[in-house]
Amino acid sequence: QKEVEQNSGPLSVPEGAIASLNCTYSDRGSQSFFWYRQYSGKSPELIMFIYSNGDKEDGRFTAQLNKASQYVSLLIRDSQPSDSATYLCAPGNAGNMLTFGGGTRLMVKP
Amino acid sequence: EAGVVQSPRYKIIEKKQPVAFWCNPISGHNTLYWYRQNLGQGPELLIRYENEEAVDDSQLPKDRFSAERLKGVDSTLKIQPAELGDSAVYLCASSSLEGMWRTQYFGPGTRLLVL
Repeated sequence: QKEVEQNSGPLSVPEGAIASLNCTYSDRGSQSFFWYRQYSGKSPELIMFIYSNGDKEDGRFTAQLNKASQYVSLLIRDSQPSDSATYLCAPGNAGNMLTFGGGTRLMVKP
Repeated sequence: EAGVVQSPRYKIIEKKQPVAFWCNPISGHNTLYWYRQNLGQGPELLIRYENEEAVDDSQLPKDRFSAERLKGVDSTLKIQPAELGDSAVYLCASSSLEGMWRTQYFGPGTRLLVL
């Protein structure tokens, strides 16, 4: 079993829709959870992070965390073609060491 | 604020040749990371530095990989000799010690192709 599981996709959504990206992790010691976006041929860039159970909103992005279920998700509202990228989930342990999932490829169709 | 700088951006070498990658972290960031990313996968940590000290190098293939971070700023990752399976993107990231959560910022990466 992988430490961090993400559906590789591609996840295809129409422009303006909500994209829902999911991630499960195995390390119960994980304390912080990061979402990175990676465009093809580019390096990962930070979108947001969350460390408390519940929701955290930042613009069109909402991260949701449920530590009991070892589940974290990223919602993208009003999806735009420019959101088409691979989204990497990365739980962090007590030492702030990140373990990356394989990423979910999102395609937003105009 | 300047981001993480890496060079070269691309490198093509023949197997058994040596290769080196250079990284300059964000100013003031004490922690520096080297990751390797294979196609279609997430980044995998190779080594982490706190200032000059390598504090986590358990995933670094020490028979052929080496790294150094002199003076706690720039870092160099070396492979000698390179193998076909080393073809990947090598990413450098840095983060600050301040605050409860360290946020890692990535450089543009070096794309290595071993022929």
